[in-house]
Amino acid sequence: ETGVTQSPTHLIKTRGQQVTLRCSSQSGHNTVSWYQQALGQGPQFIFQYYREEENGRGNFPPRFSGLQFPNYSSELNVNALELDDSALYLCASSLGTSWNEQFFGPGTRLTVL
Amino acid sequence: RKEVEQDPGPFNVPEGATVAFNCTYSNSASQSFFWYRQDCRKEPKLLMSVYSSGNEDGRFTAQLNRASQYISLLIRDSKLSDSATYLCVVNTNAGKSTFGDGTTLTVKP
Repeated sequence: ETGVTQSPTHLIKTRGQQVTLRCSSQSGHNTVSWYQQALGQGPQFIFQYYREEENGRGNFPPRFSGLQFPNYSSELNVNALELDDSALYLCASSLGTSWNEQFFGPGTRLTVL
Repeated sequence: RKEVEQDPGPFNVPEGATVAFNCTYSNSASQSFFWYRQDCRKEPKLLMSVYSSGNEDGRFTAQLNRASQYISLLIRDSKLSDSATYLCVVNTNAGKSTFGDGTTLTVKP
């Protein structure tokens, strides 16, 4: 096991609602990256947080936002949920921003009805 | 066109076969490269980093060709346990990480 945990495991929401997903990084890691993985596709980079600051962002709209806390755990918030937001959301922790090995959590499976 | 492209497969090979996957990328500013393995309904796990000089880890060999902008993964003496989806990852120093959609490998007895 990687030591990266995510909660909840599964979640069902309806269109227009808001959701918060949580990630605890591996001990000693100060960077968390979030990804969205739709069925049959690779993970799509949402954003990365390093020492509580956003360090990079993929092609996701502003309704996808995040936070990183002083203990380096992180949250992903999605507002105004759409059906296409249904996916597996993965967080990955790493040390620093030089793209060392990323350790992934088991993911949160979000279903939007 | 996607920034990182992989042949989706599936590749169906017998045990003991040698199989190779390629991955092309479009961003010439890409700085670091990796291969990850993802089992069905599990999270991705790092298989190996890819270095300019090429690198080997047991039965696995990774190569990088910056001029042609592709990376490759060679698996020798395939095992049943190698069955998985193989994802290539390309990162830039601008804080962006791009995964391919993966190549599915099934190794059969």
